[in-house]
Amino acid sequence: GENVEQHPSTLSVQEGDSAVIKCTYSDSASNYFPWYKQELGKRPQLIIDIRSNVGEKKDQRIAVTLNKTAKHFSLHITETQPEDSAVYFCAASSNYGQNFVFGPGTRLSVLP
Amino acid sequence: SAVISQKPSRDICQRGTSLTIQCQVDSQVTMMFWYRQQPGQSLTLIATANQGSEATYESGFVIDKFPISRPNLTFSTLTVSNMSPEDSSIYLCSVGVQGREAFFGQGTRLTVV
Repeated sequence: GENVEQHPSTLSVQEGDSAVIKCTYSDSASNYFPWYKQELGKRPQLIIDIRSNVGEKKDQRIAVTLNKTAKHFSLHITETQPEDSAVYFCAASSNYGQNFVFGPGTRLSVLP
Repeated sequence: SAVISQKPSRDICQRGTSLTIQCQVDSQVTMMFWYRQQPGQSLTLIATANQGSEATYESGFVIDKFPISRPNLTFSTLTVSNMSPEDSSIYLCSVGVQGREAFFGQGTRLTVV
């Protein structure tokens, strides 16, 4: 089955700096890769996603890149703000939104 | 998008008892999913609930412990049976919309004492 690894497990950055979180997956059949943000005590919420036929996607300060050959994808957050502090989960799915396998999560702290 | 109502939001239960968690969606969906999120951990899929058929359980989860109902296309329940302290966790339901992202309910924080 699919296995998703995520690094780093914790990340601290100064406000205004960039943050990068990386994930690798094992199943070459995976074709959909969402990123979720989970604030303390709240439900995970989608922040950006990418499909296997796209190499990069950007939405304001957030971008995701995908390398299908190497089976890894990354989340990039620029100009970080304190409200970006949360746990971020990557996930992989081989059926466009079903059977998600989540990475272990990255706790991002943006220091003022 | 989908609006998912999950209840209860939290509960404290005695060991050996059972708790049923309900998940209501504002639109019809083919598949609903149940996840467990242990403290400080990631989300682990328990089972996939299809309307009109038995749920499909992931490795490590069994129907006797986590029976699931899916009576229609907008509703599902997950029961945590014969609870022990190790079952203390957050349980989340989710749905996939248009074959894309998963939307999550607000979760049920279960504490077993």
